[in-house]
Amino acid sequence: DTEVTQTPKHLVMGMTNKKSLKCEQHMGHRAMYWYKQKAKKPPELMFVYSYEKLSINESVPSRFSPECPNSSLLNLHLHALQPEDSALYLCASSQGQLNTEAFFGQGTRLTVV
Amino acid sequence: GQSLEQPSEVTAVEGAIVQINCTYQTSGFYGLSWYQQHDGGAPTFLSYNALDGLEETGRFSSFLSRSDSYGYLLLQELQMKDSASYFCAVSNQAGTALIFGKGTTLSVSS
Repeated sequence: DTEVTQTPKHLVMGMTNKKSLKCEQHMGHRAMYWYKQKAKKPPELMFVYSYEKLSINESVPSRFSPECPNSSLLNLHLHALQPEDSALYLCASSQGQLNTEAFFGQGTRLTVV
Repeated sequence: GQSLEQPSEVTAVEGAIVQINCTYQTSGFYGLSWYQQHDGGAPTFLSYNALDGLEETGRFSSFLSRSDSYGYLLLQELQMKDSASYFCAVSNQAGTALIFGKGTTLSVSS
């Protein structure tokens, strides 16, 4: 199984809503990532989890809150988002910290209204 | 910090050969990766070069020159399905995550 599964595929939320994005992998990877991608732009790193511990937070606003309940799961909790946060949110995983090949999920297309 | 430069757009016809260049500036270098992303899809891994030279995988090849901080992705026998965005990427300074270039949009026409 070389898949990274993200749910939901699409999400529309209001600025006062709280929602969560979910990501799952069963490849035994110990590093997991959240990226944000705007249209026609490259993926931008948000968070890195290594061995279930947050190792990097790329100055992401606190309205985004990551969580890694176990080595296979990664969540991104969303609260009080702004319309400019609308984007494709990509989860990825890799074997270890030194990132040679990362496996990406199909992403969650988020629209904030 | 890490920065990568690649052309924004490349166009070609089916059956042709295309080269997408990437130059980088990094604090700490582990290797250069290439990813393909179709519209609405996930980035998928194409290749990785840690050492100088050419790596070949089917129709795709990737080259690295560490002394020149330069690499390229070579796509041969282009097909319509190769129309996509191509990103070069390097590891961040800590070697813990990928930082992507701005991407090159490849359009293949018949």
